Amino acid sequence: SQKIEQNSEALNIQEGKTATLTCNYTNYSPAYLQWYRQDPGRGPVFLLLIRENEKEKRKERLKVTFDTTLKQSLFHITASQPADSATYLCAPQGGYSGGYQKVTFGIGTKLQVIP
Amino acid sequence: GAVVSQHPSRVICKSGTSVKIECRSLDFQATTMFWYRQFPKQSLMLMATSNEGSKATYEQGVEKDKFLINHASLTLSTLTVTSAHPEDSSFYICSARGGRGIAKNIQYFGAGTRLSVL
Repeated sequence: SQKIEQNSEALNIQEGKTATLTCNYTNYSPAYLQWYRQDPGRGPVFLLLIRENEKEKRKERLKVTFDTTLKQSLFHITASQPADSATYLCAPQGGYSGGYQKVTFGIGTKLQVIP
Repeated sequence: GAVVSQHPSRVICKSGTSVKIECRSLDFQATTMFWYRQFPKQSLMLMATSNEGSKATYEQGVEKDKFLINHASLTLSTLTVTSAHPEDSSFYICSARGGRGIAKNIQYFGAGTRLSVL
């Protein structure tokens, strides 16, 4: 069955450093992969989408890589700030529901940026 | 980004009552809406997918008679938890997507509804 693995342990880093979050998936080949941010008690917020034929995508301080050979995506936040503290969800495309492709969410990695 | 409004944000009800949660896309037409459930420290679990004007498609293990979904227009979907019980207490989140091409795969989420059944 399809499986998504994110570092389930919390990641603590010092303000100003680069945070790197890992997402590994097994038993399928998503055509695209998304990253979302979720704050406590809130719904997720879309950050970036990367397609299988794109190695890297950037948006301001965010960078996502997608290695279809390793079946892995890395999510980087450069010059991290305390406001970046949140849970980050990896969401590869997977399966169909209601006639449309659905997205499967990982459990997320909780990032804590320490001032 | 697109805005999805979800109401209420929190509801407390007695066991046996029904609760309706609304999800609206405010500035775009949502061809597809999704309903998720999330328990503490767990991932989002898809409950059902609904397309405007048609019946919802429920995920395996989700009781369609208990979780009634109506997607009457391109901007509104509702989830009704019928005869709620304490085990239904959870965080319910809706999402909507529209757009074309690869953008149609991006989901915009509501703020979620915390349901507590006493």
